Amino acid sequence: GQQLNQSPQSMFIQEGEDVSMNCTSSSIFNTWLWYKQEPGEGPVLLIALYKAGELTSNGRLTAQFGITRKDSFLNISASIPSDVGIYFCAGQLLGDSNYQLIWGAGTKLIIKP
Amino acid sequence: EAGVVQSPRYKIIEKKQPVAFWCNPISGHNTLYWYRQNLGQGPELLIRYENEEAVDDSQLPKDRFSAERLKGVDSTLKIQPAELGDSAVYLCASSLANEQFFGPGTRLTVL
Repeated sequence: GQQLNQSPQSMFIQEGEDVSMNCTSSSIFNTWLWYKQEPGEGPVLLIALYKAGELTSNGRLTAQFGITRKDSFLNISASIPSDVGIYFCAGQLLGDSNYQLIWGAGTKLIIKP
Repeated sequence: EAGVVQSPRYKIIEKKQPVAFWCNPISGHNTLYWYRQNLGQGPELLIRYENEEAVDDSQLPKDRFSAERLKGVDSTLKIQPAELGDSAVYLCASSLANEQFFGPGTRLTVL
């Protein structure tokens, strides 16, 4: 089936550092969504992207829809302890009218004390 | 505005027993999804409803899983009988269009 390659799988960073993660695919997407999931909770939508090249911010988070429509990245600036969690990308394939999301495997963010 | 509500939050059962999960979506959201999430993985779609109609159940293991959304609002997902491999988090989500909003999930442990 369709797959999204999400990297890195995990990140160990110091508080205050910037974070960057991305998702790539061989298929073309018309929607990219970035979610954060904390232990014991469901994924929470952070940013939604709908146009190639679109750059959208949500506080310290910035995400971009790649020009080729096959990738997206998420940046977190000046990380803080509450940023800890698993970040998932999810995309909807171009031409899919069912709104089915293809999910990445997640990037686990850990902040070193 | 209330989010997606799921219950129970946790369930521990022995294998071969039945189990049911309940979901109440965000008010006005016609589309409802049930996902299964295994540890360290992203959610996997089990079934999608548009109002009361199941429009995509291709990933639902129909020999033991069933779901219903009789009035097009809340939904129930059932497993009968449960197997050890069914241990996972079962997530419900709802949407108006592309953006899906998730409930907290039900963590199922089958012993």
